[in-house]
Amino acid sequence: EAQLLESGGGLVQPGGSLRLSCAASGFTFSTSAISWVRQAPGKGLQWVSVISGNSGRTYYADSVKGRFTISRDNSKNTVFLQMNSLRDEDTAIYYCARDWRVRGVIIDYFGMDIWGQGTTVTVSS
Amino acid sequence: EMVLTQSPATLSVSPGERVTLSCRASQSVGSNLAWYQQRPGQSPRLLIYGASTRATGIPARFSGSGSGTDFTLTISSLQSEDFAVYYCQQYNNRPPWTFGQGTKVEIK
Repeated sequence: EAQLLESGGGLVQPGGSLRLSCAASGFTFSTSAISWVRQAPGKGLQWVSVISGNSGRTYYADSVKGRFTISRDNSKNTVFLQMNSLRDEDTAIYYCARDWRVRGVIIDYFGMDIWGQGTTVTVSS
Repeated sequence: EMVLTQSPATLSVSPGERVTLSCRASQSVGSNLAWYQQRPGQSPRLLIYGASTRATGIPARFSGSGSGTDFTLTISSLQSEDFAVYYCQQYNNRPPWTFGQGTKVEIK
């Protein structure tokens, strides 16, 4: 069964840092892009960042650009989100999700079809 | 910046009724649109991609239509497990991706 499992959330003070992990299993990880999506308390979904399967492409929402860094280790089937200079408004549940897949030179997009259970980040003094 | 506007914000419906949700994009996204369902306390679940293709395991009562800037998600006969929040998401060209603000389907 294809799965994603997030970890690393917690309580951090404003200005602090946190590193989230997303561990994958049950599918071909190295050809799958992985996105981070967050949800503030009582709010909707907000796309945060995505990394391609070979780490060649990374993209960020304007609200996190310059503060968050996405990376991956395909030998460990894991994607990371390094979050620095955290603000109150970064408080949210952070989900990772499988994004596009690559078949040779073809990019397949079938929606974000696998989601983790989420990890909670609370930024507060 | 791409904006997706969903309407209505909340829909009060009785079980068995037909439901139509709308998603409008601020510029054309072609058919590069997905729909997700999120039940309380759960992660989002992919329903539709490519504007009209049901994801694996999604019941036939869910259907999507539209292209360009106007999209619709229809639930032909609402079941008890369908009371949830529904989001549209665009993935046109390259990121940043965008979600709509969501439509809550609640019991009337």
